[in-house]
Amino acid sequence: AQSVSQHNHHVILSEAASLELGCNYSYGGTVNLFWYVQYPGQHLQLLLKYFSGDPLVKGIKGFEAEFIKSKFSFNLRKPSVQWSDTAEYFCAVISTGNQFYFGTGTSLTVIP
Amino acid sequence: DTGVSQNPRHKITKRGQNVTFRCDPISEHNRLYWYRQTLGQGPEFLTYFQNEAQLEKSRLLSDRFSAERPKGSFSTLEIQRTEQGDSAMYLCASSSGTGGWGETQYFGPGTRLLVL
Repeated sequence: AQSVSQHNHHVILSEAASLELGCNYSYGGTVNLFWYVQYPGQHLQLLLKYFSGDPLVKGIKGFEAEFIKSKFSFNLRKPSVQWSDTAEYFCAVISTGNQFYFGTGTSLTVIP
Repeated sequence: DTGVSQNPRHKITKRGQNVTFRCDPISEHNRLYWYRQTLGQGPEFLTYFQNEAQLEKSRLLSDRFSAERPKGSFSTLEIQRTEQGDSAMYLCASSSGTGGWGETQYFGPGTRLLVL
């Protein structure tokens, strides 16, 4: 069975700090990769996704992620976080099917 | 822009009672998914519909759980004889069904179930 690991459960940063959230997956075949975000009191929203092509993908609100196939990783980055980035971040993987496998999430708190 | 909607948003029930949740996907989305999310965990896949056909079911979906999508539009998830372990957020998502496997899923706000 596939699994997704998010290494950081809770991250606290000051505004303007750089962010990198780790995501590793266990499936060795073709995968599509996603990062979803859940702001306080809101539902899950797509942040960015990788299907194929350029392994560096850019999403909304200045986020980007890099797919490194050899490391089975899809880490999320943002050069300068804002207070409004405070949220729960979920990495998700899907292979040849329609079952999403989500990580356990990383709670990000940005201190003004 | 109407997204995925779910009703009710909150449900409190006593152990042993049956509950039913409803999900209305984005209009014209062919695929509909149900997930369960417990505290501190990511969403876990339960089941998936392509139009009215239920194509995949997780082992998490015990015999007490049943999902339907009778006309290929809205879906219901019923839990019979609820147990305290069923307490969770139940999420619904939909996707267009035109993008092949692995297309983007759009999530609803969820129904939070508390079994006393």
